[in-house]
Amino acid sequence: AQTVTQSQPEMSVQEAETVTLSCTYDTSENNYYLFWYKQPPSRQMILVIRQEAYKQQNATENRFSVNFQKAAKSFSLKISDSQLGDTAMYFCAFINNAGNMLTFGGGTRLMVKP
Amino acid sequence: DADVTQTPRNRITKTGKRIMLECSQTKGHDRMYWYRQDPGLGLRLIYYSFDVKDINKGEISDGYSVSRQAQAKFSLSLESAIPNQTALYFCATSRRDRGQETQYFGPGTRLLVL
Repeated sequence: AQTVTQSQPEMSVQEAETVTLSCTYDTSENNYYLFWYKQPPSRQMILVIRQEAYKQQNATENRFSVNFQKAAKSFSLKISDSQLGDTAMYFCAFINNAGNMLTFGGGTRLMVKP
Repeated sequence: DADVTQTPRNRITKTGKRIMLECSQTKGHDRMYWYRQDPGLGLRLIYYSFDVKDINKGEISDGYSVSRQAQAKFSLSLESAIPNQTALYFCATSRRDRGQETQYFGPGTRLLVL
């Protein structure tokens, strides 16, 4: 079974600064997908970024980028130029190639301070 | 209009009552999922369906049942609600194609069982 671990229950960052959220996972599979989802107070689950395990290049989406280390089974999220609207819970998630179950980490609560 | 909708958005019920949560999508996706989220935790999979004739149990299916009435509709039922089913419930959809395993979530249904 896959497991996803987020070791930082809470983090804070000053507006306009950069913050990195950590995620590690455990799997015996070689092909899989990793995601970061954002859950603001509205409780909606919003996809932030995704990474295919067979791609060596780290994914980027505007201010959001990942550091994917396949051998170390690490998948961190970097948020640059943090904005107040980035305040939310962030969940790291894993899905295998069969695509039947998304496994979530416990989440990191991020507070962006003005 | 939202691509994935859930009704109701909030529901209060009593122990022993039967309730149904509904999910509809206009994304044209063939795969649909039901998850529950408990405070401080990530989402856990209850049931999933890869097409209209396909229903599969997830990690925590006990006490729940589902119905896939059409490709666009996936309902979750609690036959006899109990207080520990109080949670936030999410529906999600995805496509079958390789590289399209990203799951898109509805807005969630907050359920309180008294």
